[in-house]
Amino acid sequence: DIVMTQTPLSSLVTLGQPASISCRSSQSLVHSDGNTYLNWLQQRPGQPPRLLIYKISNRFSGVPDRFSGSGAGTDFTLKISRVEAEDVGVYYCMQAAQFPLYTFGQGTKLEIK
Amino acid sequence: EVQLVESGGGLVQPGGSLRLSCAASGFTSSSYWMSWVRQAPGKGLQWVANINQDGSGKYYVDSVKGRFTISRDNAKNSLYLQMNSLRAEDTAVYYCARDTVGVGLDCWGQGTLVTVSS
Repeated sequence: DIVMTQTPLSSLVTLGQPASISCRSSQSLVHSDGNTYLNWLQQRPGQPPRLLIYKISNRFSGVPDRFSGSGAGTDFTLKISRVEAEDVGVYYCMQAAQFPLYTFGQGTKLEIK
Repeated sequence: EVQLVESGGGLVQPGGSLRLSCAASGFTSSSYWMSWVRQAPGKGLQWVANINQDGSGKYYVDSVKGRFTISRDNAKNSLYLQMNSLRAEDTAVYYCARDTVGVGLDCWGQGTLVTVSS
């Protein structure tokens, strides 16, 4: 099974400042079809998760462009260019390279200073 | 509007059974894989099971194999999770999610809480 490891597990950020979350997989997420199946999800307090980014860097419908994803192979990053109050919540990376078997990272809690 | 609504959660004793349902609307559910994902209180997300479009392919996380069964009724736009031999560690909010191949879990329900306790 692929293990997903996120750092940090908690982040305190000032409004308007950038934030960055890292995700590392125990093996390459490059699929035999050439795509890399690494997604990012956001879970606001009391809400279900919401897809933010798919295949490393593709923003899902309705996701603000202050969210961006990057990386390759086993190392990936989610960046928020300027944190807003509505960005508070927990962020998860998720691998789908072993489709149909999925695993999530432990989650990173983002809070505002 | 694309919507998923879970139901069937509740309090059950260890060793008991429960059947969760997920009603889909606003899209043709038979065109999509569907997944169940759970979240224990105060914990992270765990993928539990998924099923392909016609129900012929079913996959599970190791910890529920042999105890949980995922199924679907495309005529009713519904997804199910039959949970048997429940354990305390199965206590969680269970979410159903639409699974768009190549994109991911792109639509989620609000979840239903399952509590396994005596």
